[in-house]
Amino acid sequence: KNEVEQSPQNLTAQEGEFITINCSYSVGISALHWLQQHPGGGIVSLFMLSSGKKKHGRLIATINIQEKHSSLHITASHPRDSAVYICAVRGSGGGADGLTFGKGTHLIIQP
Amino acid sequence: NAGVTQTPKFRILKIGQSMTLQCAQDMNHNYMYWYRQDPGMGLKLIYYSVGAGITDKGEVPNGYNVSRSTTEDFPLRLELAAPSQTSVYFCASSPRWAANTEAFFGQGTRLTVV
Repeated sequence: KNEVEQSPQNLTAQEGEFITINCSYSVGISALHWLQQHPGGGIVSLFMLSSGKKKHGRLIATINIQEKHSSLHITASHPRDSAVYICAVRGSGGGADGLTFGKGTHLIIQP
Repeated sequence: NAGVTQTPKFRILKIGQSMTLQCAQDMNHNYMYWYRQDPGMGLKLIYYSVGAGITDKGEVPNGYNVSRSTTEDFPLRLELAAPSQTSVYFCASSPRWAANTEAFFGQGTRLTVV
């Protein structure tokens, strides 16, 4: 079973700061997802990647398959970025049983 | 386009009561999932389905049942509610199993058992 670890668990930063959230996993995967969950809200998919780097606006996600590690970066952070960011992986074994999730990183951006 | 719709959003149950959490998707996805999210923990898979008439247990199925009579609907049944089932429940769907398949989530159902 894949173990997914995220760091930090909690992060408070000032508006405008560059944010990095890390995710590591223990077993080879076919894809990694970054998800966003606002307080009391649903879960939204931000990125899905299996290699390299993806960018959407101020968000950048990278993955290093050899090191079993991914990072989510937020440039010019804003209070509306405050949310829980969740890393999830899809195994490479061919099973249909969904994703394995990290515990999430609770991000607060202060004005 | 509604995506994945869960009802209700909130519910309080008494110990021993039963209820059904509803999940519907309008994207014609074959794969559907039920997860629970407990404070400080990652989402855990309860049950999943790869198509109408096919369901299978996930990591934490005890105390729950599911059915999948149509492609669109995947209800989760709690027969005898227990305090340990207090959690936030998420339904998700995806079109197929593949490395590049995005997952779509509902808004969640916050359940409290007292």
